[in-house]
Formats: sequence, structure tokens, C-alpha cells
Amino acid sequence: TQLLEQSPQFLSIQEGENLTVYCNSSSVFSSLQWYRQEPGEGPVLLVTVVTGGEVKKLKRLTFQFGDARKDSSLHITAAQPGDTGLYLCAGGDNDMRFGAGTRLTVKP
Amino acid sequence: GAGVSQSPRYKVAKRGQDVALRCDPISGHVSLFWYQQALGQGPEFLTYFQNEAQLDKSGLPSDRFFAERPEGSVSTLKIQRTQQEDSAVYLCASSLVSGGPLSTDTQYFGPGTRLTVL
Repeated sequence: TQLLEQSPQFLSIQEGENLTVYCNSSSVFSSLQWYRQEPGEGPVLLVTVVTGGEVKKLKRLTFQFGDARKDSSLHITAAQPGDTGLYLCAGGDNDMRFGAGTRLTVKP
Repeated sequence: GAGVSQSPRYKVAKRGQDVALRCDPISGHVSLFWYQQALGQGPEFLTYFQNEAQLDKSGLPSDRFFAERPEGSVSTLKIQRTQQEDSAVYLCASSLVSGGPLSTDTQYFGPGTRLTVL
């Protein structure tokens, strides 16, 4: 069973700051997805990465897939209160596994 | 509707009761998934349908859990003789194609049903 570890578990920052959250595993992934989940809602897909070393940008969000396809990071530039939410990574070989998530709070 | 809908949004059950949770996927979506999300955790895969066929039920935690999708559209997750450890948010997701749980095809999630077993 692959285990996805996300860090930090909680992160509280001021508006305008930059941040990076991480998703790590000891196993290789064929693909990895990042989701954002807001209270009372289901997760919403942000990005899928499939190639080792791949970097994808979505406005102020930058996603990177590790060269060995075992880890990924999400960097947010100039965070805004609207970025507040639970950020989940998901991946796997036989079935999709989610990490426990990083709960981000951006204070105005 | 435009998205995945789930009902009820909240369900409180006494221990030992049976419950049925409904999922209405996006019209035309072939794949349907059920997940269980415990408090403070990420979603955990329960089961997957391709049209009316249940192709993977490896995540169902016990034989008290049963899912069906008889006409390849609406799905129902049934939990018999509920236990306190069944308390969680149950999420349904659908995707357009039939790639299974590992497909990179986008899964669209519903808002979930929060089940509380007393």
C-alpha cells in the first residue's frame, strides 16, 4: 500500500506571503493529482502531473513533480484569502490514494 | 444539474440502523466512484462503477457496505447495521470516460453526505 505524506499538516499565513506544501512517498507514481477542498464541498482537481521533473503553472500556483516521481510540491505566490482550503495530493498504482492534506489558512 | 449531487447532505443514524446514500452523477459520465473521508483525513477509495458494472469494490471496509448502480446512472451506497466508526463524509465522484480509479481523467466530486452514527 502506497502512503502519501503531506506536510505541513496545517499552515496559517498572511495575505501576500509565499508558501510551499509537499507530498512525499517512498513509492513511484504513474501520475499524481492535486486537489483543493473547501468546507462542506468535495475536492476540486487543480492539476495532474505525469512526467518526472514536470512543472505546471496555474496562475499563482506552481506544481512540480519530482524527477523520480516519488514526490511533488505546490508553491503559491502572493497568497490570497481565497486560497484558503485543504490541499490534497492523490496518486497510486492500483487505486487512487489521497494524502491527509495540508489545511491552509490565508489571513487578510 | 450541472454537477454531481448527493443526498441527503447530512444523516444522523442510531447505531444498528441501515442507511442509504444517493449519488446523482453528471449526465453521460461513465465512471462513478465512492470515497469515505474521515475527519481530518483525505478521501479513501471505496468502490468504482463503469456504467452499471461494479469493477472494483476492494475499498469497501466490510460486508455491511453495499453499492449499486443498476441503470448506469444514479448510485446508492448502503450501509447496514451502522457502527460509530462509520461516521464520516461519503463522497461520490464521476468522470466522463472509463479509465478506472487511476485514470487521469478528471473526477468531479459531489459535496458529500456527512453521516453521524450515535
